[in-house]
Amino acid sequence: ETGVTQSPTHLIKTRGQQVTLRCSSQSGHNTVSWYQQALGQGPQFIFQYYREEENGRGNFPPRFSGLQFPNYSSELNVNALELDDSALYLCASSLRQGLMHTEAFFGQGTRLTVV
Amino acid sequence: AQSVSQHNHHVILSEAASLELGCNYSYGGTVNLFWYVQYPGQHLQLLLKYFSGDPLVKGIKGFEAEFIKSKFSFNLRKPSVQWSDTAEYFCAVDDPNSGYALNFGKGTSLLVTP
Repeated sequence: ETGVTQSPTHLIKTRGQQVTLRCSSQSGHNTVSWYQQALGQGPQFIFQYYREEENGRGNFPPRFSGLQFPNYSSELNVNALELDDSALYLCASSLRQGLMHTEAFFGQGTRLTVV
Repeated sequence: AQSVSQHNHHVILSEAASLELGCNYSYGGTVNLFWYVQYPGQHLQLLLKYFSGDPLVKGIKGFEAEFIKSKFSFNLRKPSVQWSDTAEYFCAVDDPNSGYALNFGKGTSLLVTP
């Protein structure tokens, strides 16, 4: 176990709906990153939050948005769901202090199915 | 742009066979390199990492990887695989321009047969 927890574990949504996924980071970590893993593919970086601000973003449209809270937990929001959004969504936490950073620890993921 | 290539998408080995999974990356600057493993139904776990120093890195469960800067490679090896090594293996590079977010390869699915 990594100490990174995600909820819910599984979710089914209809095309056009909105979804919120949640992540609690490992104790002591201040950085949360979100990844999308489609079937048979490697995880793709969505965005990262550090000290409650977005600190980097991958090639995902603005309907993918997020938040980080003062306790370093995080949310991923996806609006106007499309069928291609069906994937495993992974949250990873790490610690950044100046130029030092630890490796990322991943949660179990949320399996989102859009129908 | 940064990219990570894993040469083998599916590998099938018998128990006790030796394993080598290829990984090449393209990035002009200093890199940190990782191998993650995803066992069936489990979360991604770190096998090993290279930040600096000795280019031969030892990880958990008998895995090792060698960073060859001139070849932009970070191949994963294990002398003798076990059935329990059946899993998906991902090579990754972190990107300092995106807060050290990970750029993953497409993964290699390893099946070890008894």
